[in-house]
Amino acid sequence: NAGVTQTPKFQVLKTGQSMTLQCAQDMNHEYMSWYRQDPGMGLRLIHYSVGAGITDQGEVPNGYNVSRSTTEDFPLRLLSAAPSQTSVYFCASSLRLAGAGYEQYFGPGTRLTVT
Amino acid sequence: AQKVTQAQTEISVVEKEDVTLDCVYETRDTTYYLFWYKQPPSGELVFLIRRNSFDEQNEISGRYSWNFQKSTSSFNFTITASQVVDSAVYFCALSEGGYSSASKIIFGSGTRLSIRP
Repeated sequence: NAGVTQTPKFQVLKTGQSMTLQCAQDMNHEYMSWYRQDPGMGLRLIHYSVGAGITDQGEVPNGYNVSRSTTEDFPLRLLSAAPSQTSVYFCASSLRLAGAGYEQYFGPGTRLTVT
Repeated sequence: AQKVTQAQTEISVVEKEDVTLDCVYETRDTTYYLFWYKQPPSGELVFLIRRNSFDEQNEISGRYSWNFQKSTSSFNFTITASQVVDSAVYFCALSEGGYSSASKIIFGSGTRLSIRP
C-alpha cells in the first residue's frame, strides 16, 4: 500500500512550457485534491474531484487543468507555465468515514520551478 | 465563506516551555471539520487531529492538546514541555460539511514554531 504518490519530485520548466504532474492513490478513495504551497500563504486549493469523471475548481484554478478518468489517478496539467506557478504542489486523497468525518492523506509534494 | 486565520506567523520558545498556537475560523455551516497538520523541515504534511463541529470536547494526546471553542470560533493547539523535534510549521484547516467537503479543506497560512535547545 503506497498511499498517495506524486511524480516528479522536482521539476524545472521554462516559461511557456507545459507539463503534467502525476498523482496516484491506491486506497480507493473517492476524493482527491491538488494544492499549491507558497511561502507565508499556507496551502491553497487548485482543483478537486469527488469521484471519477467529476472535478471542480478550488481557490486558484487559473492556469491549471485536471481530469479524473479513474479513481486512482488525478493528474494536474500546467498549460503554459509561468514564473508565478513556481511552488510546491501537494496532491491529497481522502476517505469519508461513516459518522466521523474523513481522513485526508497527502502525497510527498512536487517542487516546481518556472524560469 | 470559509476562512482560517493563524495570526502568529512565527513563534520561538526555549525547550520545555509550553506553547499555544492560535487558530480562528469562519464558516456559515453548522457542520464542519477542523484539522491541525504538522509540516516538519522535511516537507511532508503530517495529520495531527480532526474535530467535528458537534464535538466540543477538548482532546489530549501526550504532550499535545487541543481546545475547541465554538463560542469564539477557535481551535487552539498547545504543546506542553516542548521539544526540539516539535520545530515545524503547523497548519490549521477547516472544511465545511457537504458532499465535497472532503476535498475542499481550506488552510490557514501556518505558524512556524522554533524550539531552541
